[in-house]
Amino acid sequence: DAGVTQSPTHLIKTRGQQVTLRCSPKSGHDTVSWYQQALGQGPQFIFQYYEEEERQRGNFPDRFSGHQFPNYSSELNVNALLLGDSALYLCASSLKEAGNTIYFGEGSWLTVV
Amino acid sequence: RKEVEQDPGPFNVPEGATVAFNCTYSNSASQSFFWYRQDCRKEPKLLMSVYSSGNEDGRFTAQLNRASQYISLLIRDSKLSDSATYLCVVADSNTGNQFYFGTGTSLTVIP
Repeated sequence: DAGVTQSPTHLIKTRGQQVTLRCSPKSGHDTVSWYQQALGQGPQFIFQYYEEEERQRGNFPDRFSGHQFPNYSSELNVNALLLGDSALYLCASSLKEAGNTIYFGEGSWLTVV
Repeated sequence: RKEVEQDPGPFNVPEGATVAFNCTYSNSASQSFFWYRQDCRKEPKLLMSVYSSGNEDGRFTAQLNRASQYISLLIRDSKLSDSATYLCVVADSNTGNQFYFGTGTSLTVIP
């Protein structure tokens, strides 16, 4: 039973560029949430996808967008990267009917230079 | 005001010690409470849920005080392997179970 998988694990981008991060949820899960974790901080909620639609959104600018595919996998896109976007990006999956438990992937480490 | 506030520590304790972490949350409508553990440069992993009546899992005991909006985690007989960051987490089903994380409390258990 595969857990939550994310790719890439590490990447370096230049300020102003765009990045796409990918996530496959745990088998049987239908809901994907994305979190940003800056150094020394707790994860901050970006948004949640269910049934291919953005259902909830945290306090992040429109430069952060996402998508969920029919197989429940998801992408996080960040445009016009800023140095402050450097962080660990975590994908969490859950089952909508049992939404009280979320499981994280290992994350994607993004460095913006 | 932050949704969840924790003392960031660090807590440095000897093996065998008992250590307690505290956390407060601001949204009285919060309905689900958890402690997650995060090792250095790894993803957070669920340590335990926190129930109103309090609950225990081996050496770990979690307590919830809804009136004071306060959550605690007690670790008894600390092991070297307990060294990690402990994240207090609150969720509100009214917002689609959006999870709010504290900044985490760093624990180092010293031989």
